[in-house]
Amino acid sequence: EVQLVETGGGLIQPGGSLRLSCAASGLTVSRNYMSWVRQAPGKGLEWVSVIYSDGRTYYTDSVKGRFTISRDSSKDTLFLQMNSLRAEDAAVYYCANHFGGVIVGDYYMDVWGKGTTVTVSS
Amino acid sequence: QSVLTQPPSVSGAPGQRVTISCTGSSSNIGAGYNVHWYQQLPGTAPKLLIYANNNRPSGVPDRFSGSKSGTSASLAITGLQAEDEADYYCQSYDSSLSPPHWVFGGGTKLTVL
Repeated sequence: EVQLVETGGGLIQPGGSLRLSCAASGLTVSRNYMSWVRQAPGKGLEWVSVIYSDGRTYYTDSVKGRFTISRDSSKDTLFLQMNSLRAEDAAVYYCANHFGGVIVGDYYMDVWGKGTTVTVSS
Repeated sequence: QSVLTQPPSVSGAPGQRVTISCTGSSSNIGAGYNVHWYQQLPGTAPKLLIYANNNRPSGVPDRFSGSKSGTSASLAITGLQAEDEADYYCQSYDSSLSPPHWVFGGGTKLTVL
């Protein structure tokens, strides 16, 4: 069974840093496109960042320069380093695996973790 | 403001049929990118419900169906059941954004009366 398990969330002061992890089982992180998606309290889903199988990384504008996505192939684990955290970064963060489609634009998220909660408050 | 527009809420009685719309533009759905749908039960993670416009993953009942036309897509649920009460999100890809990336609708809360 394919499974993604996120850890690393918590309460952090504005301006602080957190590193989220997403441990994968049943899939090889380095061979797949994998994203972080977040959901602020009471709000909808927002794509945050992706790492392609070839290592290219992309970010939504609001986190560019502050967040870094990476992976450890030996541990099949995805990471999200979050620096200079703001109140508006508070959310449940999900990691998700992309699958399907001939082009990147047609990829969908077929496996999701249960999420980890990030609270930004002084 | 979400790139894809969904109604905030829909409702229906058990056994009825409901539809949820997802309206985009020429840079996402209208550009030919596929639309996917996710179901999020209360307190849980999103789950893939429909992929590539009208395909159901294994285990998803055939009461759920999707369609796409022009710059819009729809999710239909027939034979509504109490356990269908959830939030539903459409998702596509937008080539006008920098960088181009996946986008979601704002979500629709389905209430089973």
